[in-house]
Formats: sequence, C-alpha cells, structure tokens
Amino acid sequence: EIVMTQSPATLSVSPGERASLSCRASQTINSKLAWYQQKPGQAPRLLIYDKSTRATGLPARFSGSGSGTEFTLTINSLQSEDFAVYYCQQYNNWPFTFGPGTRVEI
Amino acid sequence: EVQLVQSGAEVKKAGESLKISCEASGYNFNAYWIAWVRQMPGKGLEMMGVVFPGDSDTRYSPSFQGQVAISVDKSTRTAYLQWRSLKASDTATYFCAKEGYCSGDSCHSGEFFESWGQGTLVTVSS
Repeated sequence: EIVMTQSPATLSVSPGERASLSCRASQTINSKLAWYQQKPGQAPRLLIYDKSTRATGLPARFSGSGSGTEFTLTINSLQSEDFAVYYCQQYNNWPFTFGPGTRVEI
Repeated sequence: EVQLVQSGAEVKKAGESLKISCEASGYNFNAYWIAWVRQMPGKGLEMMGVVFPGDSDTRYSPSFQGQVAISVDKSTRTAYLQWRSLKASDTATYFCAKEGYCSGDSCHSGEFFESWGQGTLVTVSS
C-alpha cells in the first residue's frame, strides 16, 4: 500500500499570502495525484487531478505541481474561503490512499 | 447534473447490522466506479472500497476487507455499504463518491472523485 504523508500538519497564513502544501508518496505514483479541500460538515471538494489539472471552475490561484514522489499544492493570495483542510490522494495503485491532511488556518 | 444522495443518519448498537445507501443521478450509472470513504470524528479520509455498477466488480482496501460489504443495484441506481455486526469503532461519517469528472454533458473516467454524496453519519454505541 502506498503511504501518503503531508506537511505541515497545520499551516497558519494571513489572507492575501501564499500557502504551499506538500504531499509525499512512499513510492512513485506517475503524477496520479489529486488534491481535495474539505470544510467542516461538508464533503470533500476536488481541486486538482493528474497532479496539476484544475477541476472545473477552480480559481486560478490554486495550482498543483511536482513529480515522482513529491507534490505541492500552492494557493496564491489566500481568500477567507480557502481556510480549510486539504488532502492529497494517490490513484496510481489500489488501494487508493489519502494523506492525513493539512489544515490551513488564519 | 451529477447528484449522489445518501441515506440519513443512523444510531445503532454494537452487534447490530446496517446498510446505508447512495442514490446516483445525472450520468451513466453503469460506467463509473463508486467509492465509499470513511471519516472518523475529527480524522482524515480513508478509502474503503469501490464498486463498478456495470458488472458489480468490487475492490476493498485491506483494512476494510471482510469488515464491510459494498454492493450496487443497477435498477435503482443505488450503491450500498453494509455491516453485519457493527462495532463502536465504526462510528464515523461515510461518504460515497463517483470517480472521474463531468464537464458539460460528458463525463470522463479517472480514479479521483469530483462528485460526492453529502455523507451519512453512523453512530454506534457500545
């Protein structure tokens, strides 16, 4: 099973700043990586798939990058609605696995 | 518009059985995998398993193999997650999700999940 790790566990950022969230896979995943945002009491929301493709309607301030086993979600100019928990998910191998999440807080 | 509507919250006792549902609409139900994802209180997302409605092919994550059963009814466009004997540790919110994404009138496969149900909270008392 591929183990996903995320860092930091919590990221404290001010509105308008940039946030960089890291995700690492225990083995190469061929860019089969998705990012999700989850707010309290809500279902996850797909942000990014295939490492860097934005989901329909996602603002351009969200971007994904990386290769091999190291990936990054960057959120430029954080807005108030971006404060949430972010998860990465690999889908290169079954079982698909999620990282433990990064909480982005004010 | 793709919609996944899950059954309502459940309160059960340890040892009881339970089956929760996820009714899909707005796309070709038979052609896309549906996943079940667990989220324990205050914790992260865990992939439990997936089912392909077209042929009922089912895969389980090792942690959940033998603990739950995933099934599907094509006639009602509904996926199910079932327990034979609940434990207090099954207390969680369970989400169903459809693989891939849809854009306009077309949907595309991909083992990521754009569409999610609203979640079903299962509370199991010991």
